[in-house]
Amino acid sequence: DSGVTQTPKHLITATGQRVTLRCSPRSGDLSVYWYQQSLDQGLQFLIQYYNGEERAKGNILERFSAQQFPDLHSELNLSSLELGDSALYFCASSVATGSAQFFGPGTRLTVL
Amino acid sequence: ILNVEQSPQSLHVQEGDSTNFTCSFPSSNFYALHWYRWETAKSPEALFVMTLNGDEKKKGRISATLNTKEGYSYLYIKGSQPEDSATYLCAFTGRGSTLGRLYFGRGTQLTVWP
Repeated sequence: DSGVTQTPKHLITATGQRVTLRCSPRSGDLSVYWYQQSLDQGLQFLIQYYNGEERAKGNILERFSAQQFPDLHSELNLSSLELGDSALYFCASSVATGSAQFFGPGTRLTVL
Repeated sequence: ILNVEQSPQSLHVQEGDSTNFTCSFPSSNFYALHWYRWETAKSPEALFVMTLNGDEKKKGRISATLNTKEGYSYLYIKGSQPEDSATYLCAFTGRGSTLGRLYFGRGTQLTVWP
């Protein structure tokens, strides 16, 4: 158990819908990262927040957005969902940018 | 586009065999190299973070070396056990604005047969 929690574990929804994935980092970690793992793709970095502020952005679609709240939990919002958005979404946290990242259990999103 | 390559893609060994995998990454703008172990139906588990050229890290039967000048890292498993079966991922992080971003390789899938 890494200490990072993610909810929900599974999510099934329809195309065009909007969903919110939630992540709580390890106690004391200020950085939160979001990654996507699609079929036939490696883990792809989406976005990083550090203490409430966006720190780095990867290949995140405009339909996706994220935020980190004052209590340091983070949410990833996915809108206008397409079939290709079906993937495993991981949240990770670290005490500082550049240090070891600890991964949560992931949210498996299925878009039908 | 930043490429992190891992080889081999998969490996099947007998219990007791020792094995090693390779991770190659850009040698410029290097900050750290991470190794993760990812078991099926679980989340990636951090093994090592390596930052210095020539660095060697060890955790039980697993060890790793780092060559930042030529851009490669090796992961070794001594006396493989069935419970070592997993996908081993390496990830590169560079200096500057991308410091927090991990660039992952596709992994080496290890299967250890009893």
